[in-house]
Amino acid sequence: SQKIEQNSEALNIQEGKTATLTCNYTNYSPAYLQWYRQDPGRGPVFLLLIRENEKEKRKERLKVTFDTTLKQSLFHITASQPADSATYLCALGMEYGNKLVFGAGTILRVKS
Amino acid sequence: DTEVTQTPKHLVMGMTNKKSLKCEQHMGHRAMYWYKQKAKKPPELMFVYSYEKLSINESVPSRFSPECPNSSLLNLHLHALQPEDSALYLCASRSPGTGDRNTIYFGEGSWLTVV
Repeated sequence: SQKIEQNSEALNIQEGKTATLTCNYTNYSPAYLQWYRQDPGRGPVFLLLIRENEKEKRKERLKVTFDTTLKQSLFHITASQPADSATYLCALGMEYGNKLVFGAGTILRVKS
Repeated sequence: DTEVTQTPKHLVMGMTNKKSLKCEQHMGHRAMYWYKQKAKKPPELMFVYSYEKLSINESVPSRFSPECPNSSLLNLHLHALQPEDSALYLCASRSPGTGDRNTIYFGEGSWLTVV
């Protein structure tokens, strides 16, 4: 069956450290993968997109990697801040049909 | 701020009511989506419209009826809903093309409570 799994339900880290979130998938062949941030009661906010032929993407303190052999994406937030506390969702994009399928999300808590 | 606007932000309706959720975007995107999200769960795809035509219906019950009157508007008509349909309903849109223009943008959502 098709599955998208994100590492742990919640990740607690100290301010200033690097947060690393994992997204693993099975029985999907995504053309691209996206990471979103979602705050309670709000819609998801787009952060980064990485395509199947790209290994790494960076944007300010964010970095995402994509390994289609391992069927895994890693999402890093460096120099984390309490304001980074939120739920982070990975989503697989299918080239045909405009379909985007979400993982369950990881709650990140950054403590000062 | 999101460029996808959803109204109303909150809706309470009875099981015999008929109501509609509305979504609007002016980014020129030609794919629009409805997602449903329950508490502490990921968004679940309901419908996709591509160039104003329904392209994906994820086996959604007929008490949910989508409509795309033009390229900027997307409606979700609700009739005879059940309490378990209470959730956050998210609208999203996406531009055609490749690369980072594949980005799907979400609205803030409409909170629906069925009583």
